[in-house]
Amino acid sequence: NAGVTQTPKFRVLKTGQSMTLLCAQDMNHEYMYWYRQDPGMGLRLIHYSVGEGTTAKGEVPDGYNVSRLKKQNFLLGLESAAPSQTSVYFCASSHIGGAFFGQGTRLTVV
Amino acid sequence: AQSVTQLDSHVSVSEGTPVLLRCNYSSSYSPSLFWYVQHPNKGLQLLLKYTSAATLVKGINGFEAEFKKSETSFHLTKPSAHMSDAAEYFCVVSDRGAGGTSYGKLTFGQGTILTVHP
Repeated sequence: NAGVTQTPKFRVLKTGQSMTLLCAQDMNHEYMYWYRQDPGMGLRLIHYSVGEGTTAKGEVPDGYNVSRLKKQNFLLGLESAAPSQTSVYFCASSHIGGAFFGQGTRLTVV
Repeated sequence: AQSVTQLDSHVSVSEGTPVLLRCNYSSSYSPSLFWYVQHPNKGLQLLLKYTSAATLVKGINGFEAEFKKSETSFHLTKPSAHMSDAAEYFCVVSDRGAGGTSYGKLTFGQGTILTVHP
C-alpha cells in the first residue's frame, strides 16, 4: 500500500537544465496536484489534474509543465530551471475524504 | 473562488495547556475543510476533515475542529498540548462544486507553526 510516491527525493540542478519529477498513486484517485512549498508561503498550487488526459493551471504555473497520460501518474517538468524554482515540491492525490501527499522532493537550482 | 486565512503565523504554548489554531475560510459553495500537520522535514499528514456531516470533527492525536458557517471559521483545538505536537499546521479548503458532487482543488492557508514549551 504505497499511497503517493514521488521520485526523486532530492535533486540539484544547474540553471538552465531540465528535469521531470514523477508522482505515482495507487489509490485510483481522479484528482492529482503539484504544489511547491516555500518558507512562510504555505503550499502553492502549480498545476493540477481532474482526470487522465487533463491538466489545469494553479496559482504559480509559470516555468512548469505537466502531463497526465495515465491516471496513476502525474509528471511535473521544468524545461529550463531557475534559482527561483529552488523549493520543496509535493505531489498529492485526492478524493472526497481528503488529499494524500507524497514525501516531497527537495530541489535546489544553483 | 476560495481562500483560507490562518490568523496566527506562530503559536506558542506550554505543555499541558490548551491549543487553539485559528482558520477562516471563503468559499463559493459548500466547502470541505481539512487540517494537515507537517513535522520538520516530513510530508503532510491529515489530522481531520469536515465534509458536511457533524460540525464538530474529531481527528487524530486528540485534535478536534468545529465548523461554524456563520463565522466562516474552522478553528483547530486540543485540550492539552504535548511536546510531540510541535509542528506546522495547515488549514485547507476545497470547494465541492455547484452540484455538490464534484471534488474541487485544494487551497492552503499560510500555515501556523506551533511551539510547545516544557
